[in-house]
Amino acid sequence: AQSVTQPDIHITVSEGASLELRCNYSYGATPYLFWYVQSPGQGLQLLLKYFSGDTLVQGIKGFEAEFKRSQSSFNLRKPSVHWSDAAEYFCAVGNSGYSTLTFGKGTMLLVSP
Amino acid sequence: ETGVTQTPRHLVMGMTNKKSLKCEQHLGHNAMYWYKQSAKKPLELMFVYSLEERVENNSVPSRFSPECPNSSHLFLHLHTLQPEDSALYLCASSQGTWPEAFFGQGTRLTVV
Repeated sequence: AQSVTQPDIHITVSEGASLELRCNYSYGATPYLFWYVQSPGQGLQLLLKYFSGDTLVQGIKGFEAEFKRSQSSFNLRKPSVHWSDAAEYFCAVGNSGYSTLTFGKGTMLLVSP
Repeated sequence: ETGVTQTPRHLVMGMTNKKSLKCEQHLGHNAMYWYKQSAKKPLELMFVYSLEERVENNSVPSRFSPECPNSSHLFLHLHTLQPEDSALYLCASSQGTWPEAFFGQGTRLTVV
């Protein structure tokens, strides 16, 4: 069975500092990997995705993520965090069967002035 | 108009009430999903519909009854819910078996 681990429940970053959110997955084959962001009371917005090819993927809002098969990781990064990035971030792994995504428990990002 | 729209955004209902959640997608997708998001728990997949046929039901209690009249609309009928059913209910859609899902804003349900 596939699973996703986001080891950090909360992370606080100063505005303008760099960010890395960790994600580890367990999946038997080549995974489809996603990062979603959720602002309070809102739905999930797709930030970026990895299906195949280049292991460094670019997303919206200046985010990027790197797929490392040897470490079963798909960490999310941003070089300079803005206050508007404060939200909850979810990593997910999926397969080609009806988008049955498995989500991590999420990491809440707090941005300090 | 947004890709996936859910109504209502907020709902408070008593345990003996019957209510329905509505989801509409404008993306031309042919698969739709209900997810449940509770505090401190990962998102849980509840139901999957493909071409209006239910293809997955993750052991969801019968007090939740989905309906998919066409590929653009999905409902979740609720009756005799419990307080532990209070959660954010998210609808999503995708194209066939392609794994990328697009989510609605969710319905915040409170059972009193």
